[in-house]
Parts: sequence; structure tokens; C-alpha cells
Amino acid sequence: EVQLVESGGGLIQPGGSLRLSCEASGFTFSVYSMNWVRQAPGKGLEWVSYISSGTSDRYYADSVKGRFTISRDNARNSLYLQMSSLRAEDTAVYFCVRGSSTQYSHYYYYYMDVWGRGTTVTVSS
Amino acid sequence: DIQMTQSPSTLSASVGDRVSITCRASQSISSWLAWYQQKPGKAPKLLMYKASSLESGVPSRFSGSGSGTEFTLTISSLQPDDFATYYCQQYNSFPYTFGQGTKLEIK
Repeated sequence: EVQLVESGGGLIQPGGSLRLSCEASGFTFSVYSMNWVRQAPGKGLEWVSYISSGTSDRYYADSVKGRFTISRDNARNSLYLQMSSLRAEDTAVYFCVRGSSTQYSHYYYYYMDVWGRGTTVTVSS
Repeated sequence: DIQMTQSPSTLSASVGDRVSITCRASQSISSWLAWYQQKPGKAPKLLMYKASSLESGVPSRFSGSGSGTEFTLTISSLQPDDFATYYCQQYNSFPYTFGQGTKLEIK
């Protein structure tokens, strides 16, 4: 069974740091791109970050750029999100999401097909 | 950044109804659009990708259409399990962006 399991969420004070992890199973993790998507309480979905299968490409939402770092360990089938300088507005459920590709001409486009259940991050004093 | 706008924000319908949700992009995204269904307390579920490709295991009553800047998700005959919130999302370019969501409610 294809599965993504997030961990590492919790209550953290503003300005603090937290590292989220996502363990993948049931598929060949190393050939897929990965993403983090978050959802604040009662709000919609917000894409946070992307990392390519080989880690050469990483992208971030403007709202987290310079504060969050995405990484992966293909040998451990794991994805990470290092979050620092946390703010109240970072409070959300964070989902780990697999990216699957479609090729068109010389380019690849990645839609998000498999989602974890999420881990909750609460930034509050 | 590409802005995605869904309409309506809320839709009230009955079991058996045919319903459509519209998603508009602020610039052309070709067909690089996905639709997701989310139920309370659960992770989103992929329904459609590349605007009109049905994800494996998703019932055929779901269909998608459109290209460029205007897209539609249609449910041909609503079932009780379909009452949820639906999101569109463009993956034409980074940053990926989502619509604000459409809540499908029971009338």
C-alpha cells in the first residue's frame, strides 16, 4: 500500500524551530518529487514547498522562503521540512504529498497524487 | 503568481443532481490543473489531473473539462459520499496555487 506518514508536529513558541518528517512506503520514493502543503484551521490549502527526486530543484512559497528548508533522504525513504522563525500564521496541518509527472515536449509537470494524513503545528506562546 | 478563483464558494444540491464547479486561472495554465476532494478532518484526495484525466479508482460520475484559463468539474449524479469541499490547483508553474474551495452541501 502506498503510504505517507508525517510526524514531528507539536506546540512551539513564536520564533522557535521545528522539523517535520515524512516516511514513505509502498513505492519507489527516490524517483518521485515531493511536496509539503499546509492548511490553517478552517482555511483552504496552501502549497509550501517542492523538492525534485534528486534534490536538484527546490521551490518555496513566498510566505516561508528563507525560513523553511525542504530536504529528503532517499536511502531512508524520508522527506523533511525544517521550519525556523515560526510565526502564529504558520499554525496549520502540514501534509506530505507525492508528485507524479506528466511529460509534455521537453518539460515535466508534476501533479500531487498521494497525500499523508498530516501533522499539526501550533505556534503559540 | 497565478491566482485561482473557484465559483461558487458554496453549492447546495440534492442526491441525484448534476452539479458543476468552475475554476478560473489568472493566466493560461494549458491543461495543468488538478481537482481534489476533501472531507472534514481528512487529507485531500486527488480526483482529476491534467484537467480531464480521471485518477484511478475515482468514480466515472466525476469529469473535468477546460483548458487555458477556465475549467469545470462536473459530478453527473450526486451521491451521499460526494458532499465535501472541492479544490482546484494549478501545477503549470511554481508557486503552485489552489482555489479557495467550494463546499458542496446537502440541500
